[in-house]
Amino acid sequence: DTAVSQTPKYLVTQMGNDKSIKCEQNLGHDTMYWYKQDSKKFLKIMFSYNNKELIINETVPNRFSPKSPDKAHLNLHINSLELGDSAVYFCASSQDLTGHDEQYFGPGTRLTVT
Amino acid sequence: GNSVTQMEGPVTLSEEAFLTINCTYTATGYPSLFWYVQYPGEGLQLLLKATKADDKGSNKGFEATYRKETTSFHLEKGSVQVSDSAVYFCALINTGNQFYFGTGTSLTVIP
Repeated sequence: DTAVSQTPKYLVTQMGNDKSIKCEQNLGHDTMYWYKQDSKKFLKIMFSYNNKELIINETVPNRFSPKSPDKAHLNLHINSLELGDSAVYFCASSQDLTGHDEQYFGPGTRLTVT
Repeated sequence: GNSVTQMEGPVTLSEEAFLTINCTYTATGYPSLFWYVQYPGEGLQLLLKATKADDKGSNKGFEATYRKETTSFHLEKGSVQVSDSAVYFCALINTGNQFYFGTGTSLTVIP
């Protein structure tokens, strides 16, 4: 049973297109996150949701829009894709906002924009 | 503010060598500290954690001790194996549940 799953695993698309990445967790966690990992393995948090409410919204282009239909899902929609959006995107979840819980990561979605 | 600094890689070791990956942090209050490991083509997995000063986290032969006086959480393993080849991330979490990751250290173990 996969704890945090993402689809698709690979996504190749052209500049200007709109795409979505889906994330689901079956851990019963309250908080979910999206991270971007660049080619040098640097991880940057993009968004955090707690119980469907946006908590963290780092400085990312507004072409990126997270959507949380329920607390088990946090999808990432990207409009007007650019070459610089190519990266691996990781979804993660944690139990709550106490500040000491580890995060559980999905397997990642490798996005390539051509 | 909060930040994590870890030693730059890549690190290449022979099998059975001793491993140290340095990690220091800056934080307000009392953060929890973590080491995550990322194997090729996979997501991050928790390796070990420590939630207060002087705690030692350990797992799979890896250890790290939360040193408040030196604001450090260095990762060590006495004898590395080829299967330990991966990227290792030091991280802290503070109030508000936001993680701060280091830049990652790539480890390659050669037979």
